[in-house]
Amino acid sequence: DVKVTQSSRYLVKRTGEKVFLECVQDMDHENMFWYRQDPGLGLRLIYFSYDVKMKEKGDIPEGYSVSREKKERFSLILESASTNQTSMYLCASSTSGGSYEQYFGPGTRLTVT
Amino acid sequence: EDQVTQSPEALRLQEGESSSLNCSYTVSGLRGLFWYRQDPGKGPEFLFTLYSAGEEKEKERLKATLTKKESFLHITAPKPEDSATYLCAVRGEYGNKLVFGAGTILRVKS
Repeated sequence: DVKVTQSSRYLVKRTGEKVFLECVQDMDHENMFWYRQDPGLGLRLIYFSYDVKMKEKGDIPEGYSVSREKKERFSLILESASTNQTSMYLCASSTSGGSYEQYFGPGTRLTVT
Repeated sequence: EDQVTQSPEALRLQEGESSSLNCSYTVSGLRGLFWYRQDPGKGPEFLFTLYSAGEEKEKERLKATLTKKESFLHITAPKPEDSATYLCAVRGEYGNKLVFGAGTILRVKS
C-alpha cells in the first residue's frame, strides 16, 4: 500500500514564526503536492514538485515556499506565519505515468494565533 | 480553465436509500476523472479513476460512471459507514495537476 506520512497531525504556532511541514512518501513517486483545505473553498494547490529540486507554483503560492532535496520528502515552509494561514494542510504523491491518481497523507491541522 | 462542480453540496439518506452524486466538469482533453472519499479530519482516500465516456467502475456499494460532461457516483443501499465527503477531480490535457470540486457531504442515518 502507498503510504504518505506528515510530520504532525496538529500544530499551533504564533504569528511571525517560521513553520516547517514535512511530508514523506514510500512509493518512489516522482510527483509530490501540497494543498490546503478550508471549509467552503475545497482543496487548493499551493505548490507541487515533479522531480528532486524541481518545483512549480500552484494556485495559491503566496506566503509559502517548498523544498525537495530527496525524492521521498517534500517540505512546505511558511516563512512568516499569519492567522490567515490557519488551515488543514494535505500532502499527496503520484507517479508521472500510468493511472496518475494522487495518494494523500493524513493532514496537518495548523493553527496560527 | 478546467473546472469541476459537484452537486448536491450535502445529501442526507436513510440507510438503504440509494442515490447518486453528480460531478460536472469542463476540461481541455480529459486525462482522468478521480473520485475520493474523505472522512472528517483525515486525508482523502482514493476510490476510482475513469478515463473515457461510458466507462464504469465499482467497489462494494459504490459505482462510478462517466459521460463527456459529467460523472456520477451511485450509492446502492448505503450504510451509516458510507457517511463521508466525496470529492471529484479531473486531470486535463496539460500539466500534472488535478482540479478538485468542493465535494458532497453524505450523511446516512440508520
